[in-house]
Amino acid sequence: GAVVSQHPSRVICKSGTSVKIECRSLDFQATTMFWYRQFPKQSLMLMATSNEGSKATYEQGVEKDKFLINHASLTLSTLTVTSAHPEDSSFYICSARGTGHNEQFFGPGTRLTVL
Amino acid sequence: AQSVTQPDIHITVSEGASLELRCNYSYGATPYLFWYVQSPGQGLQLLLKYFSGDTLVQGIKGFEAEFKRSQSSFNLRKPSVHWSDAAEYFCAVGPSGGYQKVTFGIGTKLQVIP
Repeated sequence: GAVVSQHPSRVICKSGTSVKIECRSLDFQATTMFWYRQFPKQSLMLMATSNEGSKATYEQGVEKDKFLINHASLTLSTLTVTSAHPEDSSFYICSARGTGHNEQFFGPGTRLTVL
Repeated sequence: AQSVTQPDIHITVSEGASLELRCNYSYGATPYLFWYVQSPGQGLQLLLKYFSGDTLVQGIKGFEAEFKRSQSSFNLRKPSVHWSDAAEYFCAVGPSGGYQKVTFGIGTKLQVIP
């Protein structure tokens, strides 16, 4: 149980375009979802926390207008990278936590490459 | 503020040898502690976690970790390493209960040599 999926697993896009990444909890209701970014050879940096039906809470230094997060249902959260640039290229990982869970369950990640 | 220190960026061990990965945390109250493993290009897999109770916790793949409050440590151990254990290992700390964020260490890359 407690499986989280991400789609797509890899995406390559041109500079200036927008990319949407989906994060789904497959077998539980995710009341809270987290979006992380991981640069090569570095740790995971939390970008934002979203609770279902509420606006996301962004970490300091994360541009909320650039990284749009929507958590419209208890099983789906989306991260949209708007007007992507090469410096946005990274590994994006989501995680989800449901009621009664003491841990986050992680998705497999999405590799974004902006040309 | 909570923080995690993994002092070893890279560790190399021989297959069959024992392993200990170090983790020190800073947190004002009783923490939740985690160890995750990440294979190249993959997401995170939870190895084990500590919330309360027995300070020696057993995880998957033969891993264990010991919580030592006096040393603010949560070191990961395995008695005999397999080549398939080569990966990146992350220690993480979070507040007990609630829905607040978890903070990750920088990670330790484990290389296993024949």
